[in-house]
Amino acid sequence: AQSVTQLGSHVSVSEGALVLLRCNYSSSVPPYLFWYVQYPNQGLQLLLKYTSAATLVKGINGFEAEFKKSETSFHLTKPSAHMSDAAEYFCAVSPHLQSTQGGSEKLVFGKGMKLTVNP
Amino acid sequence: GAGVSQTPSNKVTEKGKYVELRCDPISGHTALYWYRQSLGQGPEFLIYFQGTGAADDSGLPNDRFFAVRPEGSVSTLKIQRTERGDSAVYLCASSQRGQGLGELFFGEGSRLTVL
Repeated sequence: AQSVTQLGSHVSVSEGALVLLRCNYSSSVPPYLFWYVQYPNQGLQLLLKYTSAATLVKGINGFEAEFKKSETSFHLTKPSAHMSDAAEYFCAVSPHLQSTQGGSEKLVFGKGMKLTVNP
Repeated sequence: GAGVSQTPSNKVTEKGKYVELRCDPISGHTALYWYRQSLGQGPEFLIYFQGTGAADDSGLPNDRFFAVRPEGSVSTLKIQRTERGDSAVYLCASSQRGQGLGELFFGEGSRLTVL
């Protein structure tokens, strides 16, 4: 079974500071990994995804994440936080099945991390 | 519409009542998903449709929950004999062809409160 762990539920940074949101995964098969973001009063939207190509993945709004198999991690980073980054961030995993249809449709999400950016 | 639309946005009901939640996916998206998000938790998979058929309903918690997508577009999640533990935000998402690599487009959710 696949799972992701996001330790803690809330992180607070100052505007301009580094953002680091941690995600560790567990998967018995090579995974696809995702970060989704939920801004206040909006639906979840995809920030970036890893699908076994480049291990360093760049997403929207200056975010990036690096897949590290040895550490079973997919941490999300942004060099300089902006006030507009305040949101809840979810890491998710999907098994990379060896089939003509690619990965599974079923995403398994972590509990989420609420990011607060202080002026 | 441009995005995934879910109605109602809020539903308050009494224990034991029947509830229907509707999802209108992005036009042309063949795959449709229902997730449930309880307070302080991430979204939890309920069911996935490819076209009109349920390709995976393993996340439905029990037989009080049922979902349909009769014409391969709009879907309805039906909950019978609601319980207080069913209170959550029910999320709908759609994607292209359901290849597992694609981006899921989520609606804003339907918040269900069972008193």
